[in-house]
This record gives sequence, C-alpha cells and structure tokens, in this order.
Amino acid sequence: NAGVTQTPKFRILKIGQSMTLQCTQDMNHNYMYWYRQDPGMGLKLIYYSVGAGITDKGEVPNGYNVSRSTTEDFPLRLELAAPSQTSVYFCASRLNYGYTFGSGTRLTVV
Amino acid sequence: AQTVTQSQPEMSVQEAETVTLSCTYDTSESDYYLFWYKQPPSRQMILVIRQEAYKQQNATENRFSVNFQKAAKSFSLKISDSQLGDAAMYFCAYSRYGGSQGNLIFGKGTKLSVKP
Repeated sequence: NAGVTQTPKFRILKIGQSMTLQCTQDMNHNYMYWYRQDPGMGLKLIYYSVGAGITDKGEVPNGYNVSRSTTEDFPLRLELAAPSQTSVYFCASRLNYGYTFGSGTRLTVV
Repeated sequence: AQTVTQSQPEMSVQEAETVTLSCTYDTSESDYYLFWYKQPPSRQMILVIRQEAYKQQNATENRFSVNFQKAAKSFSLKISDSQLGDAAMYFCAYSRYGGSQGNLIFGKGTKLSVKP
C-alpha cells in the first residue's frame, strides 16, 4: 500500500501561472481533503470531497479548484498563482476517524 | 464553529525528562475525536495519539499519554522519557463525530526542542 501520494514535492511558480497538485490514494477511502500549512498557522482546510463527483469548499477555498472524478484521485488546481498561495499543501484521506496524510508539496510563488 | 488553541508556541525539554504540551478546544458537540500529530522536519504528519470523547479513560501509546478533561475542554499531551527523536512540531486537532465534512481542525502547533 502506497497510502496517499502527492506530486510534486516542490514547485516554484511565477505569479499568474497555473498548476495542478496531484493527490492519489489506493485505500479506497471516500473522504479526501486538501489543507494548506502556513508558518505558525497550523493546517487549514481548502476543499474536501465525500466521494467521487462530490466536492465542497473548506475554510480557505479562494484561488483554488478541485475535482473528484474517481475515488482514487483528488487534484487541486491553482489557476492564477499569487504570492499569498506560497505554502505547504497536504492531501489527506479518511476512513472512519483514521486520517492518512501525503508527504506534502512545498509551493513557492514568485 | 469549533476552534483548537495551543498556547505554547515553543517548548523545550531535557533528554529523558517529561514534558507536557497544552491544548484547549471549543465545541458545542458532545461526540468528537481529539488527536495529537507530530510533524518532524521531514514534513510528514504522524499520528501520535487519538482520544474518543465518549471514552473517559485517557489514551496512551508507549511514552505518550494524554490528560483529557472533557468538561474543561482540555487535551494535553505528556511525553515521558523524552528522546532526541521527539523533537518536532506537535499539532492538536479536533474532528466532530458524524457531520458531512469529517475534517480535522488544527491548532497552530507547538515546536518541541529536546536538549541532549
């Protein structure tokens, strides 16, 4: 079992560029989440999904979009990168109340 | 809305000593889960311990134990016999039982240093 796999691990974007952060899980979990972690701020929920085809906004969704076409994949899209989106991004999945996290993506927008 | 507060941005402990990290939370729910996660420099989020609110007995995992005070909405983590490998960020987190989201709500974290 690979668990939750995130790619890439690091990325530098220029302002205005777009990119997709990939997240894949092989545990057949219905619930999946995207968090961002800013220094000294803990993790905040961006978007979540309760199953294929169902997504909803979290606490800080502005500037992001998600899709969930399969149970396994939950990509996060940044359309027009801004410096405020510089952060570490975590994808997670849940079964009952056991959460599995990916290893994170460090994104820098310059 | 539920909130989680960690009032100690940084803590330090001598190797082999005991340290307690504090966490308080606010919720109107009666059923929920509380967690402590460890985040070493590798950035990986590692579950340390989980407590179910309906269980009065405090959870323990080897050198890690919690003091869960439901009425006071307090959930502290005690690390006994601290080791150099315990140095990391520690996050307290809350998850409501049931509901449509089931997401974790995190505190801001406590950075733990372990002195040899």
